[in-house]
Formats: sequence, structure tokens, C-alpha cells
Amino acid sequence: GDSVTQMEGPVTLSEEAFLTINCTYTATGYPSLFWYVQYPGEGLQLLLKATKADDKGSNKGFEATYRKETTSFHLEKGSVQVSDSAVYFCALILTSYGKLTFGQGTILTVHP
Amino acid sequence: EADIYQTPRYLVIGTGKKITLECSQTMGHDKMYWYQQDPGMELHLIHYSYGVNSTEKGDLSSESTVSRIRTEHFPLTLESARPSHTSQYLCASSEYVTGGYEQFFGPGTRLTVL
Repeated sequence: GDSVTQMEGPVTLSEEAFLTINCTYTATGYPSLFWYVQYPGEGLQLLLKATKADDKGSNKGFEATYRKETTSFHLEKGSVQVSDSAVYFCALILTSYGKLTFGQGTILTVHP
Repeated sequence: EADIYQTPRYLVIGTGKKITLECSQTMGHDKMYWYQQDPGMELHLIHYSYGVNSTEKGDLSSESTVSRIRTEHFPLTLESARPSHTSQYLCASSEYVTGGYEQFFGPGTRLTVL
């Protein structure tokens, strides 16, 4: 079946450090890929997405590139801020069903 | 900005009570979903609907039930709550945009059963 695997957390960084959260997927078709962010006590917000191979999604300084050859969608940010502290979920949707398959989530904590 | 609402945001109840978690969206989306998020953060799909009068079980078995009488409304009901139902419940809806589907989430209901 379809699955998403994220790097295990938690991840702890100092402000202005470089962030990478790895995400790989297994899917039978051609999925759309997403990163969602969940701040404490809130629901999920879409951070960025990519719908086909080699697409780069970007938002709020975060980027991820859809790599079909390595089945990966790693999240990166050049300089994290304390306000980026949250849980990050990688996910995929197969077009014909519209159902999300999530990774297990990665807790990010950024210290001043 | 997604317009999807969940009430209540927090609920503490005793064992055996019947509860209904409300979810509404104003975007006219046909597809709606309920997820259960355990304390370890993992998200599990427990119910979904493709439109009015359509409901399906999700990937994780749940004792809850759902109904979809109106497009905008997708409530979840627990007939007899138990401590094992303590969790965060997230409602979502989706639409097809250029290139594929996109899901929008409500703020969640945090349920505690004593």
C-alpha cells in the first residue's frame, strides 16, 4: 500500500540554523506531495505542495522538491526561527481518491 | 484561507456519555474526512465521505459513526464514550485544484474521556 516515511525526531536547532526534514514515499501511482505544519493546539495547515516530478513547492522560506527517481520530498529551510517550532507532516494524495496518507510527523524545536 | 469549523474545541466528559463532534465547511466541497490523532502525533483516517448520503470507514477502525445529510456538515458521534476514545479529532475537506487534490483542515477537537 501507499506509505510515507519521515525522519525520526524530535529535531532541535538554534535560531538561524539550516533545516532538513527527510521524507520518502511509496505509492502505486503518481501522487501529489504535501508538507503540513501543526502549531501547538491547532489543526494542520498546508505549508507547501508539489503535484508532479521535479516540481518545487515553496512557502515562508521552506522548500521541497518532488524527486521521482528517489521517491523523496525533503523539507528544507535556510534559516529557521523560533516561530517555526511545530510538528511537520509529509503526506501524499493519489489523485483518483483524494485521501491523504501521512508520515508519522517530526517535532521541530528552535531555540533562540 | 480555508473555512472549516469544528466545535467544541475542547471537551471533557465521563465514560458512557454520548457525544457529537461538529464539523462544517462553507467551501461547498464534496469530499470530507475525519482523522484521529493519537498522543504520539500520528494521524489516522477514521471516516470519509464523497458527498451527501455517502459515508465510508477509513483506514483505522473506529467505534464512532458519521452522517452526511448536507454538503456542508459532517458530524461524528460516539454513542458511549470510553477513556480509549481520548484523542484529538481533526476534520478536513478537499477540492480538486490544478494538478490534484488539496485538503483543508479544521482546528480540531481535543476530547478527554474520564
